[in-house]
Amino acid sequence: DIQMTQSPSTLSASVGDRVTITCRASQSINSWLAWYQQKPGKVPKLLIYKASSLESGVPSRFTGSGSGTDFTLTISCLQPDDFATYYCQQYSLYSTFGQGTKVELK
Amino acid sequence: QAQLQESGPGVVKPSETLSLTCTVSGAFISSYYWNWIRQPPGKGLEWIGYIYNSGNTNYNASLESRVTISADTSKNQFSLHLTSVTAADTAVYYCARHTYGIGLESWGQGTLVTVS
Repeated sequence: DIQMTQSPSTLSASVGDRVTITCRASQSINSWLAWYQQKPGKVPKLLIYKASSLESGVPSRFTGSGSGTDFTLTISCLQPDDFATYYCQQYSLYSTFGQGTKVELK
Repeated sequence: QAQLQESGPGVVKPSETLSLTCTVSGAFISSYYWNWIRQPPGKGLEWIGYIYNSGNTNYNASLESRVTISADTSKNQFSLHLTSVTAADTAVYYCARHTYGIGLESWGQGTLVTVS
């Protein structure tokens, strides 16, 4: 099985900050990686697919990068609506989620 | 996007079988990959498995001995069966569609199943 390790588990930030979340795969997944945003009590929302492609309707302040085993999700200018938990997911071999990163208000 | 709706019992007794159904509209289940994902209260997302081409399946290795996912194309539904449940299986269960190369772009609203 492919393991996905996200860091940090929790990130404290302020509105306007640039925020970066990392995700590492236990083996190469090429670019078969997605990022999701989940707010409490809500359904996860797809933000980024194929490591760097922005899902339709997602603000351009969200960017994804990486390939192989190391990936990042960057929020360029954190907005109040962005405080949430973020998950990476590999879909190279079946599927695995990272453990999540909670972005909270500093 | 497709619309997905989970249905099934909200409470299951320990050692019994958890059974859920996902009804799909706006897409045919004979195409795409149809997934089950769960989320224990206060915890992260766990992929359970998927079905594609109406009958091919892949499962999370940690659950494989207890999980079956099946499809009913006549009703455009797919189902999850999880046997021998324990309290650790208490979670919100989501069904979701994976479009090849893109990811899980359509989700059901989720249903809480409590093992008690």
